[in-house]
Amino acid sequence: SYELTQPLSMSVAPGQTAKISCGGNNIGGKNVHWYQQKPGQAPVLVIYSDKHRPSGIPARFSGSNSGNTATLTISGAQAGDEAAYFCQVWDTTTVIFGGGTKLTVL
Amino acid sequence: EVQLLESGGTLVEPGGSLRLSCAVSGFPFSSYAMTWVRQAPGKGLEWVSSTGGSGGSSYYADSVKGRFTISRDNSKNTLYLQIISLRAEDTAVYYCARIDEYDYGGYLDNWGQGTLVTVSS
Repeated sequence: SYELTQPLSMSVAPGQTAKISCGGNNIGGKNVHWYQQKPGQAPVLVIYSDKHRPSGIPARFSGSNSGNTATLTISGAQAGDEAAYFCQVWDTTTVIFGGGTKLTVL
Repeated sequence: EVQLLESGGTLVEPGGSLRLSCAVSGFPFSSYAMTWVRQAPGKGLEWVSSTGGSGGSSYYADSVKGRFTISRDNSKNTLYLQIISLRAEDTAVYYCARIDEYDYGGYLDNWGQGTLVTVSS
């Protein structure tokens, strides 16, 4: 079955850029979606189809996808961006989530 | 405004059963696929099951096949998840979410707040 690999955790200083990776076999051939989840809250879609932002998501969130790695980039990270981030793809009719990356802003 | 509201989560003994519900509003329910995703305490997101807009197609994670049944009542704008033979490892917050497609393949653009299922004696 298809697997997605994310780093367990990462940290970034306020105002700096965070790049969260999501690895998968030829993931560049799939549509990758990203979700943000803050403690005690439901996940929120922040990037869909590799690079598109839903309405209401700040422009500092961007995405890219090529080869075996998709990347969520948070430019000018803020304290409010501290959260877990999950990538997601479909493998035929099955939803696949990455294990999630806990982003700390400090 | 799109809203999804789960209910039905409770404490249940191993081997028991329950039915979760997800009442939706703010969009044409029958036009969208829907899905259940769960999250065990302190863990990541795990997809459980999805169903197409008509309810005629359903898909399941291998870990729940044979014990979970997804269904929908489009006349009531409600999604369901029937669970039998509950195990301790089914303990999780269960989220319903809308899929931005009619059957499968889209992104999960709206989520409910979740309902907690605890399996323990």
